[in-house]
Amino acid sequence: DAGVIQSPRHEVTEMGQEVTLRCKLISGHNSLFWYRQTMMRGLELLIYFNNNVPIDDSGMPEDRFSAKMPNASFSTLKIQPSEPRDSAVYFCASTGGPNEKLFFGSGTQLSVL
Amino acid sequence: DAKTTQPPSMDCAEGRAANLPCNHSTISGNEYVYWYRQIHSQGPQYIIHGLKNNETNEMASLIITEDRKSSTLILPHATLRDTAVYYCIVRVAGAGSYQLTFGKGTKLSVIP
Repeated sequence: DAGVIQSPRHEVTEMGQEVTLRCKLISGHNSLFWYRQTMMRGLELLIYFNNNVPIDDSGMPEDRFSAKMPNASFSTLKIQPSEPRDSAVYFCASTGGPNEKLFFGSGTQLSVL
Repeated sequence: DAKTTQPPSMDCAEGRAANLPCNHSTISGNEYVYWYRQIHSQGPQYIIHGLKNNETNEMASLIITEDRKSSTLILPHATLRDTAVYYCIVRVAGAGSYQLTFGKGTKLSVIP
């Protein structure tokens, strides 16, 4: 099993540009989580999906952020327009059910200049 | 979910046991204790979890006190590769409970 796959590994963009982060879940998993990590705030849950349906998006910072699951194995996190304060490492994670362990991807290091 | 308290940092000599404490004095009867770790520049990695009994796997042991108000993660023979931030998380069990809330964790440094 390849694990949770995130792309790109690194993204450098200019303020105002659209950024799309991608995540492929582990086969058979049905829950998907997006986290953001910064030095100041640590690991924060942005949103999570269960069976392709967004369950809790209370962590999404503002309307500039949106997340989708177009199918059961893939998700995108989009920031439009991006701002320097969005610079962080973005992780996605998947799991096969409640109380099961989360498997994290390697993260996307986003730098907005 | 109940709040956890961990020391911000600890050192451990290579080859010795690393004992990482976690206080969760407000834990409820249906809340599990989870441990994850994050090695620099990587995503968090699951280590172990338990409800009230002690647990052991190939990575570590989890000792939960009888009153469940605290727990200790034990890495029996720490290596340099165990240097990481260790997170203790308390999470409600149940069909609607999926997400994990991470605190600041304990930064463990394994010293040669």
